[in-house]
Order: sequence, then C-alpha cells, then structure tokens
Amino acid sequence: GDSVTQMEGPVTLSEEAFLTINCTYTATGYPSLFWYVQYPGEGLQLLLKATKADDKGSNKGFEATYRKETTSFHLEKGSVQVSDSAVYFCALSDSTGGFKTIFGAGTRLFVKA
Amino acid sequence: GAVVSQHPSRVICKSGTSVKIECRSLDFQATTMFWYRQFPKQSLMLMATSNEGSKATYEQGVEKDKFLINHASLTLSTLTVTSAHPEDSSFYICSAFNGQVNQPQHFGDGTRLSIL
Repeated sequence: GDSVTQMEGPVTLSEEAFLTINCTYTATGYPSLFWYVQYPGEGLQLLLKATKADDKGSNKGFEATYRKETTSFHLEKGSVQVSDSAVYFCALSDSTGGFKTIFGAGTRLFVKA
Repeated sequence: GAVVSQHPSRVICKSGTSVKIECRSLDFQATTMFWYRQFPKQSLMLMATSNEGSKATYEQGVEKDKFLINHASLTLSTLTVTSAHPEDSSFYICSAFNGQVNQPQHFGDGTRLSIL
C-alpha cells in the first residue's frame, strides 16, 4: 500500500540556518503530495502542496519539489526562524485510495535563537 | 482559506461519560470527513472515514461501537466517544475534504480529551 517515510527528528537548528527535511513516498497511482505543520497543542495546517511531477509547492519561505524519479518531496527553507519550531508532516493523497491522506511520522524542528 | 471548526477544544470528564466532538466545515461542503487520533509525539492515526449520508468506514482495530460517527450534513460530522475510560484520553483531530482531486484536507484545531 501507499506509504510516506520522512527523516526522524528532532532536528535542532540555529536561527537563519538552512533546513532540509527529507520525505520519500511509495504509491501505486499518481498521488498529490503535501506538507503540513503542527504547532504545539493545535491541529494541522497545510503548508504547501504539489499535485504532479516537477511541481514546486512554496509558502512562507518553504519549498518542496515533487520528484517522481526519486519519489521524493523534500522540504527546504533557506533561513529558519524561531517561530518555525513545530512538527512537520509529509503526506500523500491518492484518488485510488479514496482520497485518504497517508502521513509520515512527523519531524520535530527546534530552532534556537 | 478553508476553515474547519472543531468543538470543544478540551474536555475533562469522569470515566463512564460519553463525549461528543463536533467538526464543522464553515465555508465549503465536505463530502468526506476524517477522524484521527494522535498520541503524544506521534503521527496521526486514521480512525474512520465519514461520507455524508452514509455509514462511516472504520480502520482496522477501531471499535465502531465505542467511537460513534455521524455525518448528517455536508458541513457537520460528530464523533461520540461512548462510556469513555482513561485509555481513551488522547488528542482527536477531524479533517474535511470537498471530494475534488488534488485538493488537501483541511483540519480542525483538535480536541484534547482527558478522562479521569
């Protein structure tokens, strides 16, 4: 079945450092890919998405490119801020799976001032 | 953006009580709503998928008589935890989906349930 694998955390960075959180997926169809962010005690917020190969999703300085050849959707940000501290979930949704969203395990990011 | 309202945000109650959680899509029609449970520092575990006007589909290992789901309209789904016990304490999150290809789910802010 479909699955999402993302790098284990926690990831600890200093402010203004470069961020990469790796995400790879397996899917039988042609999924849409998403990154969600969860701040402490809150639900999930959509950060960005990409719906087909080579699409780049971007929002708030974060970017991720849908790479079909490597089945990856790595999240990047050039300069992190303390306010970016949160848990980040990579996810996929496939119409062949009834639009269920499959989540990765989540990666906790701590950004130090 | 799309807004999903989940209520209440926090519940503390005695063992044996039944608790109802509401999930509303405020500005779009949600043909499908999903209910998740999240344990501390873990990912979301899908409990059930709810389609408007039909019975919910439960994931393996989730007791349907324990977690009653109703999706009576295109904007409202409810999860009732019946005769709750301390092991049911968790963070429950709903999401709403409009049924269109390539669209994301939109999440509520979650309900923290604590059973004493």
